[in-house]
Parts: sequence; structure tokens; C-alpha cells
Amino acid sequence: GAGVSQSPSNKVTEKGKDVELRCDPISGHTALYWYRQSLGQGLEFLIYFQGNSAPDKSGLPSDRFSAERTGGSVSTLTIQRTQQEDSAVYLCASSLETRGVTEAFFGQGTRLTVV
Amino acid sequence: AQRVTQPEKLLSVFKGAPVELKCNYSYSGSPELFWYVQYSRQRLQLLLRHISRESIKGFTADLNKGETSFHLKKPFAQEEDSAMYYCALSGRGAQKLVFGQGTRLTINP
Repeated sequence: GAGVSQSPSNKVTEKGKDVELRCDPISGHTALYWYRQSLGQGLEFLIYFQGNSAPDKSGLPSDRFSAERTGGSVSTLTIQRTQQEDSAVYLCASSLETRGVTEAFFGQGTRLTVV
Repeated sequence: AQRVTQPEKLLSVFKGAPVELKCNYSYSGSPELFWYVQYSRQRLQLLLRHISRESIKGFTADLNKGETSFHLKKPFAQEEDSAMYYCALSGRGAQKLVFGQGTRLTINP
């Protein structure tokens, strides 16, 4: 497809387990973002990849969270030792940086529930 | 640091009434401002950007650098405008995109 694709759509995991969330950006998009969307918290920035530059990890809430982007395309967000407060919708977006105009295209999100 | 503030979590207006969703920002450089919208059961999508100075679905937003604001306005609200609205900021060039907390707009019939 032509849009940003995320998998799985829903994930239920037990507290303490590790989870991996996947994002397939739009082909050719150099920038990739991860956000967390939870009730009352809005859209929380997690991490930003731009081309070959070092990622901006300033939004990761703890060292249990990590992300990588392989070959400048697919990205995986990993949460280790999940906690109940990690329950949220995780959104991925990509954009084609064109003279600084950054329209981001979003995936449908992964709803994570930690029980 | 980049920061976006949307002071209203919820906003409810009647159909046909004017609507204004507030957005204030903090950024030391030259900002790019955007409004994104998420309709029920749909993906988050771009509504408009300040650099384009456009009107989309009757909505407009003016960047006021003196007040560091980018409020979204529509003179006559319609029921289909009910959605979650996010204000977002990016620095010029390859900079991350930071969002506000969002405002849930409900248009009453």
C-alpha cells in the first residue's frame, strides 16, 4: 500500500513481558517518528529518525524503551519489561523533508494493552 | 526547546456558531506550525499549515509571532467538524514535529 503501515493493530501482553511494534513508512520518506497517544496526555513525542543522522531520542520515557530503523526504512519500537502505564496507542508517522516542510503521514496505530 | 500548548481539552459549540481552537507555542527559532485532525476511527491527518496560508474545510489559522499563537478558526461550525484537533510545531529544516495535548471538538446539532 501507499500509506504508513503499523503492525500489529492490537497487542495484549502481560506485565513484565517485552513487546515489539513495527512501522513500515511510505517509500522514500526520510523522516520517521514514533508517538504515544493516551487519554488525557495527547500525542507524546517518543523518537525521531531523519536520514542517516543520529536519532532524536529525547522523548523516550525510560530506558525500557528503544527504537531502531534499519536501512532507512522499517522501524521497530521495543518496550522491555512492560508496565501497565505503557498501555496506549503507539503511532508511527513518516515524512519527506522538502525544504523543511514536514507534513507527516500517520499509520493507524498499535493499541497496546498491558495486563 | 519546542513546546505546544492547547489550553482546552474539550470544546463544545452549536452547529452554525463560530469556533476557535487555541494554540500557543514556545520556540526560539523560526517555527513551522500545523493543525492536524483525527476524525472518529480515522488516522491522524494534516488539516492545514501556516506556510500555505490556506483555508481547508472552512478552517483558517494565522500565525501571530508576537503572541506566539496559531489559533484555528471557522466562522460557522458543521457537525462533521467534530473530531480531535492537534496543533503541531517543527523548526525550519529537518526538525522533529512536536504536538500539543489536543482539543476534542464537539459540534452539537
